[in-house]
Amino acid sequence: DQQVKQNSPSLSVQEGRISILNCDYTNSMFDYFLWYKKYPAEGPTFLISISSIKDKNEDGRFTVFLNKSAKHLSLHIVPSQPGDSAVYFCAASAGIDDMRFGAGTRLTVKP
Amino acid sequence: KAGVTQTPRYLIKTRGQQVTLSCSPISGHRSVSWYQQTPGQGLQFLFEYFSETQRNKGNFPGRFSGRQFSNSRSEMNVSTLELGDSALYLCASSLNGVYNSPLHFGNGTRLTVT
Repeated sequence: DQQVKQNSPSLSVQEGRISILNCDYTNSMFDYFLWYKKYPAEGPTFLISISSIKDKNEDGRFTVFLNKSAKHLSLHIVPSQPGDSAVYFCAASAGIDDMRFGAGTRLTVKP
Repeated sequence: KAGVTQTPRYLIKTRGQQVTLSCSPISGHRSVSWYQQTPGQGLQFLFEYFSETQRNKGNFPGRFSGRQFSNSRSEMNVSTLELGDSALYLCASSLNGVYNSPLHFGNGTRLTVT
């Protein structure tokens, strides 16, 4: 069961522009959300997180937005850089020590 | 601080065999969780161990099992391998568990079943 969905397998943006990666979830019990970035031949690395008591969390060029009513999560990268090219996974947890991941979105930032 | 170490990096097995993968967490981390990554499926949760006890298990058949030792190192075993088990297996460690704290991933073990 795909409780966390990333419907766009890939996204291409120009360097300096905004990248918006989207994630939808179905389980209303999820209350902690994270984004991970993965380069080829490496494990995912933690990027940014948000708990359900917030609707926005910012860390430098990365901002995560949470819309609980729509069960939607998005990651904004501004400005995008070629080094941001990677696969991005969103993840959600319902406080039962069970992390669910989306299938990932491959971001390509063109110079 | 050393990161999460997974061994081996690559493994080729034939159907019906069994395999054991190893994971050494970051020092001080008591939680180790395992994930299977396949194209189009993303990362799927296998199970989590905390202080040598399995705390949660994903929706995988009983052929997939694991354990954790007193030094927090963990092993994952897959018996009676099937072609569909070919995947990247990732382990991750965290201080207190997968909930409410970021995971630190290893680079994974690429398993190919022929």
